[in-house]
This record gives sequence, structure tokens and C-alpha cells, in this order.
Amino acid sequence: SQQGEEDPQALSIQEGENATMNCSYKTSINNLQWYRQNSGRGLVHLILIRSNEREKHSGRLRVTLDTSKKSSSLLITASRAADTASYFCATGGGSTLGRLYFGRGTQLTVWP
Amino acid sequence: DAGVIQSPRHEVTEMGQEVTLRCKPISGHNSLFWYRQTMMRGLELLIYFNNNVPIDDSGMPEDRFSAKMPNASFSTLKIQPSEPRDSAVYFCASSRAGALPDTQYFGPGTRLTVL
Repeated sequence: SQQGEEDPQALSIQEGENATMNCSYKTSINNLQWYRQNSGRGLVHLILIRSNEREKHSGRLRVTLDTSKKSSSLLITASRAADTASYFCATGGGSTLGRLYFGRGTQLTVWP
Repeated sequence: DAGVIQSPRHEVTEMGQEVTLRCKPISGHNSLFWYRQTMMRGLELLIYFNNNVPIDDSGMPEDRFSAKMPNASFSTLKIQPSEPRDSAVYFCASSRAGALPDTQYFGPGTRLTVL
């Protein structure tokens, strides 16, 4: 399957702590994206990392990509209760038609 | 610019009834995706279109499901007849395929309950 698989399935932390979520995939990719889904809402794009990049930052988000291990990680620093959501990784194979392959997601709960 | 628009937001129907879900993608986007999300199966891609043409419908569960995209600004997903196991949240997403990155923009979803 080309789907990414997130690990852990669920993560529970206190506000102020860092949250790290991992994603593994099986085929070659053009880029890897992370999305967030708040309860009862649609997915929202957070950050994209291309296959020739190793690390990318956006605010409190840090994404790494290791194409040799076919894995990525999403780090949320200084987490807040508002970060409580499901986080999905999605891989793009470079198709010009835009299809992405989503994983099952990590449910992050941040306790105040 | 308005995001992806889906209607209705909630639909409750009885088994055997026809259900039609609607989606308006973001203007200028040329790929449209229909997903289904359940606790058991996660997020599943049902079908996607590029330039109004269905590209891959292998995720459509069975013949009871059909999707159309008559023009660049409108798509429908129809279930006929509906069954209780079709209860799920259905998402539509669009993207500007061909111009990387291929970020997808999701609508708010339609929560379908089949009694």
C-alpha cells in the first residue's frame, strides 16, 4: 500500500510538552504532507516537505523526512490545549493528478 | 476565496432511500476527491476526478455508489439505495493538480446517518 502509517495511534500529553508523531510509508514519494483534523471538521493542510528536503519548520511545527528509512516525523513544540486534534500524514507520488495517500492518523490530546 | 463547499452538512435518511451529496470545489482547482471517514476504516478515497473526468473509482464500495462531475464547479455523490453501513462522514476535497505542491483543500463534510 502507498498509504502512510502514523505512530502512535494516540498520544496524550500536558500543555507545554512537546508532541512527536511519526509516519512511515512504503513507496517512493515526491512530497509528504501533514494535515490536521479537529473534531467534526475537515482536514486542514499544515506543512509539506519535499523529497529532497530533510527538515522544515513552520511556527511551532517541525517536520523531518528520511527518505532512506521512508519515514517522517512531526514535532509540535510547547503544545497547547488547542492543538488537540487528529494528525494525518499524506504522501504524494508526483502524479500531476493530485492524488494523496493518507494514513490512519494520530489522535493527540493536550491536557491543560 | 470561499473554500470547498459541501451540502448538506447533515443528512438523516432511512434505509433504501436515495441520498445525494453535493460539492463545489475551489475555483481554479482541477482535481476533486470524494472521501469517506469512519472510525473503523479511517479515511478512504472513494473516487477522484481530474478536469471533470473520473480517474479512479476503485474505492467506490459497490454499484450503489455513483459520482458525477458535470462541470468544473460541481460534483455529486449518490447512494441508491442507502444502507445503515453507509453511515459515515463524507468529505470532498479539491486541489490544483499539475502545479505542485498538490495540497488538498477539504470541505466541512457531510455527516450521513442511515437508519
